[in-house]
Amino acid sequence: NAGVTQTPKFRILKIGQSMTLQCAQDMNHNYMYWYRQDPGMGLKLIYYSVGAGITDKGEVPNGYNVSRSTTEDFPLRLELAAPSQTSVYFCASSRDNEQFFGPGTRLTVL
Amino acid sequence: GEDVEQSLFLSVREGDSSVINCTYTDSSSTYLYWYKQEPGAGLQLLTYIFSNMDMKQDQRLTVLLNKKDKHLSLRIADTQTGDSAIYFCAETSGYSTLTFGKGTMLLVSP
Repeated sequence: NAGVTQTPKFRILKIGQSMTLQCAQDMNHNYMYWYRQDPGMGLKLIYYSVGAGITDKGEVPNGYNVSRSTTEDFPLRLELAAPSQTSVYFCASSRDNEQFFGPGTRLTVL
Repeated sequence: GEDVEQSLFLSVREGDSSVINCTYTDSSSTYLYWYKQEPGAGLQLLTYIFSNMDMKQDQRLTVLLNKKDKHLSLRIADTQTGDSAIYFCAETSGYSTLTFGKGTMLLVSP
């Protein structure tokens, strides 16, 4: 199993550009999550999904959108990138009580 | 909202025991977790404890939970230089969404 995979690993965006962060898992987990981690901070939940077709907002959803058309994939969309969205983004999936994390995407908005 | 607090930094010598502390505010927490993050990597689950337990031991790791004081600790016995990392405390009370602390940086010197 590859576990949770994320692409790209790094990206630099200009203000106002859009992009999609990809996340996929091959463990057949129903629950998937997107977090952002700012320097010196813990992880903040952006969006989560309890299954295909179902998504819900987390603590910091503004400026982001998600979709969950399949069990495996949970892409995160930034429509109008802003410097405040410079962060490291982690995707996770879970079964029962254990969350498995991807390696992260480091995004810089200039 | 709910909050999880940790001390920011701990320095120990190789071979000593390390104790990382965490406090939380959510009285309905069901599971409490310890994650490890090495530089440039995602989060790795170390251990977790159910809220009706007082202690859990797993090889060099011992988790103590004082539910009355909402205090969680992680003890690492015989700390090694490879244990140097950031350790995150997290709790959940619903839909498996996690609330994270800001992390404790553990530095192990030879």
